[in-house]
Amino acid sequence: RKEVEQDPGPFNVPEGATVAFNCTYSNSASQSFFWYRQDCRKEPKLLMSVYSSGNEDGRFTAQLNRASQYISLLIRDSKLSDSATYLCVVNPYTGGFKTIFGAGTRLFVKA
Amino acid sequence: DGGITQSPKYLFRKEGQNVTLSCEQNLNHDAMYWYRQDPGQGLRLIYYSQIVNDFQKGDIAEGYSVSREKKESFPLTVTSAQKNPTAFYLCASRDRGHSNQPQHFGDGTRLSIL
Repeated sequence: RKEVEQDPGPFNVPEGATVAFNCTYSNSASQSFFWYRQDCRKEPKLLMSVYSSGNEDGRFTAQLNRASQYISLLIRDSKLSDSATYLCVVNPYTGGFKTIFGAGTRLFVKA
Repeated sequence: DGGITQSPKYLFRKEGQNVTLSCEQNLNHDAMYWYRQDPGQGLRLIYYSQIVNDFQKGDIAEGYSVSREKKESFPLTVTSAQKNPTAFYLCASRDRGHSNQPQHFGDGTRLSIL
């Protein structure tokens, strides 16, 4: 089993749609969680951290379920510019430095 | 502006040649990382370093070498032993102080075989 698993997609949605991505992680001791966005042929960029109580940044909402070991990302009112690959990222150890990246979920938003 | 600088942006390697990719950061981060990304694939960890003069192998270290003589610099050498070096190489850094800190990336180097 992979340490971090994501649905590879692609997700094809129309503009204005709401889309949700899930990600599961295997290490129950994992400490911190993030969503990154990666555009084609570019570096990954931090989209948002994921906090235990859930958090929102504009159209984006992230949630963490420690009991079931998954995190989610909800995008509301999708824009064409949201088309990208979304990476689920986990720091598994307290004080550790190895970060685990999911393989990413591809999103296409259509006009 | 604080950030991570990778150079060159594009690099071509001849058969049997070693090439070195540069990564410099001015974020005062202790931890630095090298990843390889193949087309349509996820990131794979090559090497990482937690502090100066210390580094650890990642998942695909064979055919690569690194050094960490200065806090701000973490160069990656792709040796002739790496038979399939064509990929997108990404350098990242992270604040050592807290495990809840995210990694920050440079804009990458694309390496191809001539």
